[in-house]
Amino acid sequence: AQSVTQLGSHVSVSEGALVLLRCNYSSSVPPYLFWYVQYPNQGLQLLLKYTSAATLVKGINGFEAEFKKSETSFHLTKPSAHMSDAAEYFCAVQYPGGYQKVTFGTGTKLQVIP
Amino acid sequence: DAGVIQSPRHEVTEMGQEVTLRCKPISGHDYLFWYRQTMMRGLELLIYFNNNVPIDDSGMPEDRFSAKMPNASFSTLKIQPSEPRDSAVYFCASSLVLGTGGSEAFFGQGTRLTVV
Repeated sequence: AQSVTQLGSHVSVSEGALVLLRCNYSSSVPPYLFWYVQYPNQGLQLLLKYTSAATLVKGINGFEAEFKKSETSFHLTKPSAHMSDAAEYFCAVQYPGGYQKVTFGTGTKLQVIP
Repeated sequence: DAGVIQSPRHEVTEMGQEVTLRCKPISGHDYLFWYRQTMMRGLELLIYFNNNVPIDDSGMPEDRFSAKMPNASFSTLKIQPSEPRDSAVYFCASSLVLGTGGSEAFFGQGTRLTVV
């Protein structure tokens, strides 16, 4: 069965520091992978996705993620944190083809310290 | 398009009452998903539809929960009778799938349900 594991339910960084949010996936076939962001009292919105094209994926708001098959990872990074990045981030996995079930990780809350 | 529209945004009800949550997906989208979010269990997929047909309802917690999609522009999630443990934020999402998948899901703003 497909699944994702997000390491660290809470991450704190200083404004201007590197953001690194970790995600490892489990899938028997090369999956589609997503990062979504949720701001307080809002629904989730897509940051970026990997669909077997380039392994380094760039998303909105300066975020990017790299698909590493050997490590079964899809970590999210941003070189310099901004106060507005404070939110909860979800990694998600989907099997290509067939039905469109997406499985979400448990989320990582990012705190940005001024 | 206005995005995925959910109503109500907040619902407070007494235990035992029937609750109906509503969702209008983005026009033209062929998949609709219902999720439940709680602190304890995170984001759980309850059920999803393809072209108005339920595909997978294995996430529906029990028979008290039911979902319908009578047409392409409307879906409901009903809880009858409601219990305090049903308190959560319920999200509806829709997507348009091209090819084998990897499509973005667009989420509504959610309905915060409190059962007292």
